Amino acid sequence: NAGVTQTPKFQVLKTGQSMTLQCAQDMNHEYMSWYRQDPGMGLRLIHYSVGAGITDQGEVPNGYNVSRSTTEDFPLRLLSAAPSQTSVYFCASSYSGVGNSPLHFGNGTRLTVT
Amino acid sequence: KNEVEQSPQNLTAQEGEFITINCSYSVGISALHWLQQHPGGGIVSLFMLSSGKKKHGRLIATINIQEKHSSLHITASHPRDSAVYICAVRGGSEKLVFGKGTKLTVNP
Repeated sequence: NAGVTQTPKFQVLKTGQSMTLQCAQDMNHEYMSWYRQDPGMGLRLIHYSVGAGITDQGEVPNGYNVSRSTTEDFPLRLLSAAPSQTSVYFCASSYSGVGNSPLHFGNGTRLTVT
Repeated sequence: KNEVEQSPQNLTAQEGEFITINCSYSVGISALHWLQQHPGGGIVSLFMLSSGKKKHGRLIATINIQEKHSSLHITASHPRDSAVYICAVRGGSEKLVFGKGTKLTVNP
């Protein structure tokens, strides 16, 4: 099993550009989530999904869209990048939710918006 | 005020020492996670617990639901334990709230 695969590892965008961060897992996990990590802030939840076709907002959802058309994939879309979205992004999955099973993290995407 | 507070923020130890990292939370929870973030940035799950105590190798995690407190202990610490240790709690729904992490450095 590859686990949780995030692409790309690094990305530089100009303000106003759009892009999609990819996240895929091959463990048949129902729960998937996106976090951003900023210095001094800790990890913060952007969006999450408890199964295909179901998504919900986390703590910092503004400026980001998600969809969950399959169990395996949970892409994060930046509609119009802003410098405030410069961060390290992590995707994570778990078998049945964060109250019942441990999280498996991708390796992260370092995004810089200029 | 953060819902999840970790202490200390930074910790330096000598190889072989017993390490304790603390996590206090202000909301009612159903589960607490301990994570390890390597110097290269990768994050791995160490423990998920909702009561009592769990042990894995040299790592021990405890939780006291009444006191809203959890501890992560490392016995016989080693330089390879140097990492950031993160506590996260599940309150309502399927959302985790994270502490800011404790940076541990173990010197040989």
